[in-house]
Amino acid sequence: DVKVTQSSRYLVKRTGEKVFLECVQDMDHENMFWYRQDPGLGLRLIYFSYDVKMKEKGDIPEGYSVSREKKERFSLILESASTNQTSMYLCASSLFAGELFFGEGSRLTVL
Amino acid sequence: AQRVTQPEKLLSVFKGAPVELKCNYSYSGSPELFWYVQYSRQRLQLLLRHISRESIKGFTADLNKGETSFHLKKPFAQEEDSAMYYCALRSASGSRLTFGEGTQLTVNP
Repeated sequence: DVKVTQSSRYLVKRTGEKVFLECVQDMDHENMFWYRQDPGLGLRLIYFSYDVKMKEKGDIPEGYSVSREKKERFSLILESASTNQTSMYLCASSLFAGELFFGEGSRLTVL
Repeated sequence: AQRVTQPEKLLSVFKGAPVELKCNYSYSGSPELFWYVQYSRQRLQLLLRHISRESIKGFTADLNKGETSFHLKKPFAQEEDSAMYYCALRSASGSRLTFGEGTQLTVNP
């Protein structure tokens, strides 16, 4: 079974703090994605990566950055957290044009 | 630009009743359409994709290019079908998936 692991299930941070969300997959997938999930808005793509050190902006990249130094790991970075970034963050991986496999999610609260 | 719309945020039916979750999309090329499902306290997972033309857990979905729709249907809903359902679209040439807003389905006993 494909396993996508998000290191933090629940985080509480203060406005202005730097936040790292880590995601690791164990199936050698080329593609990795970060989405945020909000009620009524669905899943919105923040960033995705199709290879090591390669990234593309999604639909809502403002306030976020990403890092992919190794194929299995994709990190989402909030340089200066704000309250409107309180959300559920979902990481996913896939082969090219394949099914997305999701992690359990990281619920971030910014106070 | 690609866009997916699910007009119903909430849908409630009784066990044994038919259910249809609506999905409309806008995309100029040949899209690939999916339904993903998230059961309570579980990960989001693929339910079905239009190119496979399968029935999964009794659900079917037909791509209607004329109406740009990909509605999910089941003739007899079960309580275990209660979940959040997301419609998603991928362009033929890409890897990124665009999701709709989601529909929370509740099947009442």
